[in-house]
Amino acid sequence: QPVLTQPTSLSASPGTSARFTCTLRSGFNVGTYTIYWYHQKPGSLPRYLLRYKSDSNKQQGSGVPSRFSGSKDASTNAGLLLISGLQSEDEADYYCAIWYSNTVVFGGGTRLTVL
Amino acid sequence: EVQLVESGGGLVQPGGSLRLSCAASGFTFSSYEMNWVRQAPGKGLEWVSYISSSGSTIYYADSVKGRFTISRDNAKNSLYLQMNSLRAEDTAVYYCARDRIEDGAFDIWGQGTMVTVSS
Repeated sequence: QPVLTQPTSLSASPGTSARFTCTLRSGFNVGTYTIYWYHQKPGSLPRYLLRYKSDSNKQQGSGVPSRFSGSKDASTNAGLLLISGLQSEDEADYYCAIWYSNTVVFGGGTRLTVL
Repeated sequence: EVQLVESGGGLVQPGGSLRLSCAASGFTFSSYEMNWVRQAPGKGLEWVSYISSSGSTIYYADSVKGRFTISRDNAKNSLYLQMNSLRAEDTAVYYCARDRIEDGAFDIWGQGTMVTVSS
């Protein structure tokens, strides 16, 4: 079982919200980790969006709109990325990541379709 | 402008070697940790290696340990990845990424260089 599990796809309509999940494998407590979020538009390089550890320890990437936000769901041991006011330009692959034992682990990514 | 530009990719036979370079500009390279991240065709991101700002601390993914060597030359504002004993599964776009010391975020990425391992 991978350390970080993300749904392969997500669809939402323009103007609505999208909620991405990044579930940590059993034995990895989401409360312990900073969750990093990146996205990658088709044919382009990855871009850093934000990091979230807690409401008092979070940071938005440079130039990333405030409609992108992070949080956690301790009940499901998952990191969350929330995008409000979806736009067609938000179509991309979204990856979560953590630093673990001097390595970086990426989730498999979730492809967002805005339709 | 803050920029990372990779080079050195290409076609190589299994068992061969290749050296990737990443030229940094627009920021104080010697103050930043750096990483290599790869992406196989149609697949997700896979972290490959990390090097501290001074080069004194290095980490590798298990998949490349013993075959790949990361290094840097702060005088030349350059990051390198020496890849030996290449395998078909190493075929990927290789990105260099700047790592913020204060929080470990990969905030700047290069455009990537393609490595194809095939006979």
